[in-house]
Amino acid sequence: TQLLEQSPQFLSIQEGENLTVYCNSSSVFSSLQWYRQEPGEGPVLLVTVVTGGEVKKLKRLTFQFGDARKDSSLHITAAQPGDTGLYLCAGVPNAGNNRKLIWGLGTSLAVNP
Amino acid sequence: SAVISQKPSRDICQRGTSLTIQCQVDSQVTMMFWYRQQPGQSLTLIATANQGSEATYESGFVIDKFPISRPNLTFSTLTVSNMSPEDSSIYLCSVAGQGRYGYTFGSGTRLTVV
Repeated sequence: TQLLEQSPQFLSIQEGENLTVYCNSSSVFSSLQWYRQEPGEGPVLLVTVVTGGEVKKLKRLTFQFGDARKDSSLHITAAQPGDTGLYLCAGVPNAGNNRKLIWGLGTSLAVNP
Repeated sequence: SAVISQKPSRDICQRGTSLTIQCQVDSQVTMMFWYRQQPGQSLTLIATANQGSEATYESGFVIDKFPISRPNLTFSTLTVSNMSPEDSSIYLCSVAGQGRYGYTFGSGTRLTVV
């Protein structure tokens, strides 16, 4: 069974600080997706990374896919209260049923003003 | 990407009763996915619903408890049957996008069983 270990599980920081969330696995993924979820809403896709070593930027958010496509990170620069939410990574397996995502456990982020 | 309308958004139900959750998609999709989520935690896949065939359930979930209907390519329902307090959770439907477009989710149904 493929697993996706996400850390940290909880993070509470002050506005302006930087943070990094990690998703790690021993298995290879064909792609990895990052979602953010706010209370009362479903997860919303932030980015999909596909190529090993790929780096994508979304304003103050930087996403990286590991060279071996087994891990990924999300870095937020100068966090703002609006970044508060649950961040989830999800991997598409490299083999088998490609439509069934493997989910990380989530990182609950609170950015305090 | 697709837009999903999910309802109800929340409900409080008596134990022993059943609740049916509906998801309407604004485009035709082959597969729809039903998830369960505890607040602040990750998602657990309940089942995958294909139009015209029985849903495929994940380990720990059975059709008698979570019957699913998929009458056409834009609509699906999940019923939570004979509810107990342990069924209190957020239930989400989802459809897969193409390639890099990820998955789109409904806004969720927050169920409380008392």
